[in-house]
Parts: sequence; C-alpha cells; structure tokens
Amino acid sequence: AQTVTQSQPEMSVQEAETVTLSCTYDTSESDYYLFWYKQPPSRQMILVIRQEAYKQQNATENRFSVNFQKAAKSFSLKISDSQLGDAAMYFCACEQGAQKLVFGQGTRLTINP
Amino acid sequence: DVKVTQSSRYLVKRTGEKVFLECVQDMDHENMFWYRQDPGLGLRLIYFSYDVKMKEKGDIPEGYSVSREKKERFSLILESASTNQTSMYLCASSPGSDQPQHFGDGTRLSIL
Repeated sequence: AQTVTQSQPEMSVQEAETVTLSCTYDTSESDYYLFWYKQPPSRQMILVIRQEAYKQQNATENRFSVNFQKAAKSFSLKISDSQLGDAAMYFCACEQGAQKLVFGQGTRLTINP
Repeated sequence: DVKVTQSSRYLVKRTGEKVFLECVQDMDHENMFWYRQDPGLGLRLIYFSYDVKMKEKGDIPEGYSVSREKKERFSLILESASTNQTSMYLCASSPGSDQPQHFGDGTRLSIL
C-alpha cells in the first residue's frame, strides 16, 4: 500500500521569507503523480502544484516550487516570499493509480507578520 | 471555474440515524470521490465512482455506502451513524485520469 508522510505537523515563517515543507512517499508504481494541496481556514482544498514522476524537471508555479527526488521518494514544497495569505494546512498527496489519492497528515503553516 | 457543492457545511445527527451527504459538480466530470479528514490523519478515501451507477471502495469504506444515479451527483450514506463517524467529509471530482481533483468546501458532521 502506498504511504505519504509529512513529518512536520506545524511550521512557521516570517513574512517575505522562504519556507520548505517536507514530504516523503512510498509507491510501487513506476509512473505516478504527486500533488501539494492547500487548505485555508475557509476549508476548500486548493491545488498548489503537481509533479509528474517521469518528468525530471521540478515543477514551479509562481512563488511555489518543488524539489522532487525520485530515487529518495521525496517531494518537498518551497514557498518563496511568503505572504499572509499562504497561511493554511498543506497536504502532500500521491496518486496510487486510477486517480486514487493517498494524502499525508498535513503541515499547518503560520506566517508571522 | 469548477464548482463542487456540498449540501451542508455543518450537520448534527444522532447515533443510529441514517445520514445522507450530498455532493454536486457542475463540470460534467467523470470521476467523483468522498474523503474524510481527521486531525493527524490527513484525508482518507472512503468511496469513489468513475461513472453513473458505478462505485469502488476506497481505503475506509466500512460503515458507509454511496449512490451515483446521475453524473453530477454523488451521495455518501451513513447507514447507521456512530460517534466514530464524527469528522469532516470532503467531496471531489475530476474529468479523468491525469487531471487534478477539485474539492468542495466540506461538511463537518457531528454524531451525538
């Protein structure tokens, strides 16, 4: 069975600084997708970034980028120039085939003004 | 924008009741999903559906059933609610494989 582990239950960062959220996963699939979702206090899960495992190039979306290490099964999220609106729960997820997502435990990110 | 609508934001029910959670999506997506979210456990898949009248068990289907009579609507049913089913329930949809899932706002369900 696939597992996804986020070892940081909580993180905090000063506004405008950079923070990295960790995620490791385990899968027997050779081709799969990895995701980071954000859940603000409004509760709606929002897709932050997606990585296709067969692509070696790390995905980026504006201030958000990933460090994808396939051999190490690591998929960390870097947020640059942190903003107050980035405060949320962040979930890492791995698609285990047929669109079934396995989620990590989540990391609560606090932005200090 | 994709809209996934869950019928209730908060719901309080009693032990033993039959509970229906409704989810509707407006983008003609093929796939729909039900998750429950608990602190420290993340989201766990309960059931999913690839097409009308089709359903597949997820990782934690015990105590739940689902119904998909129309493409846009996916219902989660708690046949006899128990206190350990108190949780946040999230519905999601997607157009197909390799596409990200879109989530509703969630229903916070309390079973007393």
